[in-house]
Amino acid sequence: QVQLVESGGGLVKPGGSLRLSCAASGFAFSDYFMSWIRQAPGKGLEWVSYISSSGSTIYYTDSVKGRFTISRDNAKNSLYLQMNSLRAEDTAVYYCARGGAVTSFHFWGQGTLVTVSS
Amino acid sequence: EIVLTQSPGTLSLSPGDRATLSCRASQSVPSSYLAWYQQKPGQAPRLLIYGESSRVTGIPDRFSGRGSGTDFTLTISRLEPEDFAVYYCQQYGRSPLTFGGGTKVEIK
Repeated sequence: QVQLVESGGGLVKPGGSLRLSCAASGFAFSDYFMSWIRQAPGKGLEWVSYISSSGSTIYYTDSVKGRFTISRDNAKNSLYLQMNSLRAEDTAVYYCARGGAVTSFHFWGQGTLVTVSS
Repeated sequence: EIVLTQSPGTLSLSPGDRATLSCRASQSVPSSYLAWYQQKPGQAPRLLIYGESSRVTGIPDRFSGRGSGTDFTLTISRLEPEDFAVYYCQQYGRSPLTFGGGTKVEIK
């Protein structure tokens, strides 16, 4: 069955960096767009970024452009999100999901919490 | 950016009631690339409906989606106790991808 397992969350100071990982299994990872979606405490869902199956197409929401970098390693069935210059407003549970441009999010990980605080 | 506005913010209903959730887009959603998700506390969202009206395998047929262009509706024909949750619409036809603010369906 499809599994997505995020890791790498934690407490970081404003201005700091963190790298999230998502390990995928149970499907042909290299065939699918993948996305990161976040949810601030008590708030709604916000799509953050997607990457195409080959990695050639990448898109970010405006609030993270220039600070976050999405990438993937199809040989390792893994998705990544490098987060730099973190701000308090980046505090959220970050979900990895299968899907992106013109595909809905059929599968989600359990999420990893990122807290940005001094 | 396509802005999705969900209404009402909260729906207070009883088990067995019919629930009608609205999602209005600020511009036409390309090819009806509109999805609905259910989220319960402490859990990841779950996809219910995609392509505006296609139900995911395993989702009960009391859930149905319809609409086109800028107006979409999720209907739960008869609420079961496990249906009380927050529901989000999402468009995936134009980047940036966007979600609505959610509708909470609570027990009256």
